[in-house]
Amino acid sequence: QVQLVQSGAEVKKPGSSVKVSCKVSGGNFNNFIIYWVRQAPGQGLEWMGGIIPIFGTENYAQKFQGRVTITADESTTTAYMELSSLRSEDTATYYCAREAGGSGWHGWLDPWGQGTLVIVSS
Amino acid sequence: QSFLTQAPSVSGTPGQRVTIACSGSSSNIGSNSVSWYQQVPGTAPKLLTFNNNQRPSGVPGRFSDSKSGTSASLAISGLQSDDDAYYYCAAWDDSLNDLLFGGGTKLTVL
Repeated sequence: QVQLVQSGAEVKKPGSSVKVSCKVSGGNFNNFIIYWVRQAPGQGLEWMGGIIPIFGTENYAQKFQGRVTITADESTTTAYMELSSLRSEDTATYYCAREAGGSGWHGWLDPWGQGTLVIVSS
Repeated sequence: QSFLTQAPSVSGTPGQRVTIACSGSSSNIGSNSVSWYQQVPGTAPKLLTFNNNQRPSGVPGRFSDSKSGTSASLAISGLQSDDDAYYYCAAWDDSLNDLLFGGGTKLTVL
């Protein structure tokens, strides 16, 4: 079955950038949207954006426009999320997830990666 | 502040049926399908229902969803101890062009 495996935890300084990877295995990579969602400690889920790998079409949440870049490498079936100008409020667990509804931006996320903890601290 | 509103907590006893509500607006729940997620603390969320009560393989029929106007709900019947978790609703918002999540509801199985 489809599995999403993310890169390991990161500790970053304020003002720097972080790039998290999401390796997709066991299914079709190109045609399914990969989403990124984050969760601050003790808080709820927050959508950041997504990408259709085969077209490179991106869609970003308004809140993160200009600060997040989502890319996909078809050759390695890996998606990436890069967040720049990090601040302490960006400390969170970042998840990737695949669209469960085939083509189209349905927002049905399944399965999910295991999450990557990013800590922003001076 | 979430555009999709959920009660912070709900509780029930084993075997009972509970419902978790999610309130939105015409630009999100009113015009798009709702999905529901279960999250046990320390683990990734899991999709429970989507697209008008469809369930991924492996999700039991005890979980069902419904929608009316700008509100949606998740029903859990035959409550079990391992249903003790956080539950989130989600829907696209056509005005914001964002995928919105509710603030989450903590279900406690007493």
